[in-house]
Amino acid sequence: AQSVTQLDSHVSVSEGTPVLLRCNYSSSYSPSLFWYVQHPNKGLQLLLKYTSAATLVKGINGFEAEFKKSETSFHLTKPSAHMSDAAEYFCVVSDRGGGFKTIFGAGTRLFVKA
Amino acid sequence: EAGVAQSPRYKIIEKRQSVAFWCNPISGHATLYWYQQILGQGPKLLIQFQNNGVVDDSQLPKDRFSAERLKGVDSTLKIQPAKLEDSAVYLCASSAWGGMGGYEQYFGPGTRLTVT
Repeated sequence: AQSVTQLDSHVSVSEGTPVLLRCNYSSSYSPSLFWYVQHPNKGLQLLLKYTSAATLVKGINGFEAEFKKSETSFHLTKPSAHMSDAAEYFCVVSDRGGGFKTIFGAGTRLFVKA
Repeated sequence: EAGVAQSPRYKIIEKRQSVAFWCNPISGHATLYWYQQILGQGPKLLIQFQNNGVVDDSQLPKDRFSAERLKGVDSTLKIQPAKLEDSAVYLCASSAWGGMGGYEQYFGPGTRLTVT
């Protein structure tokens, strides 16, 4: 069975500094991995996805993530944080076990200080 | 393209009452998902439909929750009777096809349910 662990429930950075949101996964198959963002009172939006192509995935708003099979990680990064990046971020895993069940991580709340 | 539509956006009911939520997915999307998101937690999948068949409902509390997707298009999720712990945001999502797992899900705005 697959699982996903977001290692930090809260991350606080200053505007203009790098962002790192950590995600580890477990999967018995070749997984698909996603990062979604949820702004307050807004719907969930896809940031980026990995589906067995390039291991470095670029997404919207300057975010990227690297799939590392040996470390079973899929960390989300951004070189320079903006105030508008403050939101909840979810790491998601999906694999063909159990009919492509989708598992969300518990989420990481990103705070951006001026 | 129109997004995933959900209604109502907000609902307040008393415990032991019943409630129903409606979802209209993006046109042509075969797979439809219902999630429950309790405050401070990630979304939990309740049920996944592929067209009008159920793919996964392992986390659906079947003694009180039911869902249907007639004609493989829109869907309703019902709770009867509601409990206090059902207070959450109920999210509907759709994707082009769940068969390969790599298709992104598009989420609706959600229905915020408060059970008093």
